[in-house]
Amino acid sequence: DAKTTQPPSMDCAEGRAANLPCNHSTISGNEYVYWYRQIHSQGPQYIIHGLKNNETNEMASLIITEDRKSSTLILPHATLRDTAVYYCIVRVASNAGNMLTFGGGTRLMVKP
Amino acid sequence: NAGVMQNPRHLVRRRGQEARLRCSPMKGHSHVYWYRQLPEEGLKFMVYLQKENIIDESGMPKERFSAEFPKEGPSILRIQQVVRGDSAAYFCASSPEEGANTEAFFGQGTRLTVV
Repeated sequence: DAKTTQPPSMDCAEGRAANLPCNHSTISGNEYVYWYRQIHSQGPQYIIHGLKNNETNEMASLIITEDRKSSTLILPHATLRDTAVYYCIVRVASNAGNMLTFGGGTRLMVKP
Repeated sequence: NAGVMQNPRHLVRRRGQEARLRCSPMKGHSHVYWYRQLPEEGLKFMVYLQKENIIDESGMPKERFSAEFPKEGPSILRIQQVVRGDSAAYFCASSPEEGANTEAFFGQGTRLTVV
């Protein structure tokens, strides 16, 4: 699986959009971009994933650049409960399982 | 539809005892993954199982650790003769199928403390 690079920490004001970047310059054509988050002491929570097109669900939007070398997770109206570590992971399409390789992630602090 | 259920949530064991951690996947999910998170560190993959089969155990320590996912019942992660370094949060995830276009859902973890 391709390596990802994320800033170690970010702050965001409550109610504003949180834009979390992720670089995956070595991504290959069959690798998906996944985002998970881990709120303190809880299990990781799936947020969203995509291959090429931008994706949106009730939690967030995922913007993938045309060359697929980077992506941005957008939380449109961050709340205090969105304070967590956010992990960007790329996954290769294979029949060898759905294992996830977690890096250091971005620690997002939403402030009042 | 209940999520991934792990129990116990907290487990305290003395050095040398055995720890058994249980994971019931989401209904309809036949793929189970175990991860370990040491204090102040990231999650590390340990083992991937399908019903009655270990598919990938490349992240499992070679000694004292074993995992199973029987035809009936939950998946079990077993740690024999625990040591203080085994203290960690152990998370289980499940997915309905393999492949990169399938999200995995995590349980709330079991926090093992070895005293």
